[in-house]
Amino acid sequence: DAGVTQSPTHLIKTRGQQVTLRCSPKSGHDTVSWYQQALGQGPQFIFQYYEEEERQRGNFPDRFSGHQFPNYSSELNVNALLLGDSALYLCASSLPGLAGDEQFFGPGTRLTVL
Amino acid sequence: GDSVTQMEGPVTLSEEAFLTINCTYTATGYPSLFWYVQYPGEGLQLLLKATKADDKGSNKGFEATYRKETTSFHLEKGSVQVSDSAVYFCALSDPYTGNQFYFGTGTSLTVIP
Repeated sequence: DAGVTQSPTHLIKTRGQQVTLRCSPKSGHDTVSWYQQALGQGPQFIFQYYEEEERQRGNFPDRFSGHQFPNYSSELNVNALLLGDSALYLCASSLPGLAGDEQFFGPGTRLTVL
Repeated sequence: GDSVTQMEGPVTLSEEAFLTINCTYTATGYPSLFWYVQYPGEGLQLLLKATKADDKGSNKGFEATYRKETTSFHLEKGSVQVSDSAVYFCALSDPYTGNQFYFGTGTSLTVIP
């Protein structure tokens, strides 16, 4: 049973560029959440997708957008990259919003903005 | 708003020492509480969880008890091993905020032989 997978593993971009990160959820999961983890910090919630719609959003600017496909996989897009966007981006999948359900995390994509 | 406050690290212990990592939380509703562990170069893995007051989560010798009166969920292990070296994150999921997860800043643990 494949867990959560993310691609690419590492990415280097320059300021002002755009980036797309990809995530495939754990088998049987239909809810995908994205997190940004800066160095030495805990993950910060970006947004969550369920039934191909953004269901919740954290305190991130509109430069961060996403998409969920019919097969439940998801993309995170970041436009007009800033140096401060350098971080580990984590995708997590879960069942839809039941209390106490854990989230299963992928290994992350390390984004470096130069 | 919801938040999690974790004991700052790094923590360095000798093998077989007792471990406590403190975690307190603030939540609007009645959250579920979690401890996640992150090994170097890997994503987060669930270590244990508790979904209501006075529940005790346990796994791999680690334990944490959901204390509503002190809004705490401290992680403990009686005898740590070198393989326990990792970063530990306390987190909550609050149904009042749609079960969005809030994480603490993480506590780095190094266990030396």
